[in-house]
Amino acid sequence: GAVVSQHPSWVICKSGTSVKIECRSLDFQATTMFWYRQFPKQSLMLMATSNEGSKATYEQGVEKDKFLINHASLTLSTLTVTSAHPEDSSFYICSASRLTGVWETQYFGPGTRLLVL
Amino acid sequence: AQTVTQSQPEMSVQEAETVTLSCTYDTSENNYYLFWYKQPPSRQMILVIRQEAYKQQNATENRFSVNFQKAAKSFSLKISDSQLGDTAMYFCAFTPYDKVIFGPGTSLSVIP
Repeated sequence: GAVVSQHPSWVICKSGTSVKIECRSLDFQATTMFWYRQFPKQSLMLMATSNEGSKATYEQGVEKDKFLINHASLTLSTLTVTSAHPEDSSFYICSASRLTGVWETQYFGPGTRLLVL
Repeated sequence: AQTVTQSQPEMSVQEAETVTLSCTYDTSENNYYLFWYKQPPSRQMILVIRQEAYKQQNATENRFSVNFQKAAKSFSLKISDSQLGDTAMYFCAFTPYDKVIFGPGTSLSVIP
């Protein structure tokens, strides 16, 4: 149990275009979902936390107009990178927890590799 | 500032041996949770073990156990009978109040 999927797993796009990444909890209802960014050989950097039906809470330094997060249902959250640029190239990971609160165990998706040309 | 430190960027261990990964953290909170996550080459994050700060008993999960020293703010992970599949990045994380903070990670290689 507690499986989280991400789609797509790998995306290449041109600079200036927008890219949407989906995160789904397959066998549980995710009250809270998290979005992370990870650069090669580095740790996870939390970008934002979203609760179903509420606006996402962004971490300091993360542009909310560039990284649009929607948590429309208890099983789906989306991250849209708007007007992507090469510096947005990274590995994006989502995670989900059953209950509200960061102390709950997070179940991670397999990640999405984004390359902006 | 609330931080997590993993002082060993890289470690190696012979197959079937035991290895301990260190983690220290800094917080003024009294209630929080601590985690060890594993990230193999596939980059899928996998929960290894979880510890509630209010519990004195150290968590164990099969070959994985922790040594939690709350006063010292230390949370080390011991892997017994290391297996080739244990080769991965290991991240220590803790969740004071409304934040989740990951350490920089320790790259563990299990040598056959």
